[in-house]
Amino acid sequence: DSGVTQTPKHLITATGQRVTLRCSPRSGDLSVYWYQQSLDQGLQFLIQYYNGEERAKGNILERFSAQQFPDLHSELNLSSLELGDSALYFCASSVAAQGNVLTFGAGSRLTVL
Amino acid sequence: GDSVTQMEGPVTLSEEAFLTINCTYTATGYPSLFWYVQYPGEGLQLLLKATKADDKGSNKGFEATYRKETTSFHLEKGSVQVSDSAVYFCALGTLKAAGNKLTFGGGTRVLVKP
Repeated sequence: DSGVTQTPKHLITATGQRVTLRCSPRSGDLSVYWYQQSLDQGLQFLIQYYNGEERAKGNILERFSAQQFPDLHSELNLSSLELGDSALYFCASSVAAQGNVLTFGAGSRLTVL
Repeated sequence: GDSVTQMEGPVTLSEEAFLTINCTYTATGYPSLFWYVQYPGEGLQLLLKATKADDKGSNKGFEATYRKETTSFHLEKGSVQVSDSAVYFCALGTLKAAGNKLTFGGGTRVLVKP
């Protein structure tokens, strides 16, 4: 157990729907990262939050949004889902905003039918 | 921009064989380099890291040396076990004021047969 908790583990939904993925970082970690892992794109960085504020943005679609709450958990919202959004979504956390090793959760597998 | 290229798999080996996974990178500045491992059904785990040129990272019998002159960070293990079957990711991280983004290679699947 890495200490990073992601829910749900699996999610099946239909095109056009909206889902929310949740992440609780490891105790003491202030920074949360979201990554998308798909067969054709590999591991893509989506977004990073540090202590509630957005710190870095990657290849995150406009249909996707994220936030980090005062208790440091984070949610990734995916809307107007398309078949191509089917992927594993990983959350990771680290102590600080920079230069630290990331600890990954087990991932949330999203299937869009 | 930053990028990581690693050899495509799958790599199939017999137990006790020597494993090498090549990784090269392109980055501005002075990146830290990492190898992460993903076992079936699990998230990524840090295997080893190196933060500056000529550093050697090592863990669980795996080693990788940060070679700035060849922009490489090849992963090696002298004698693999069935339990080493996994997907291995090379990654780089650069210190930027904006945050701590890690850039990953495409992953190399390793299958060790008894």
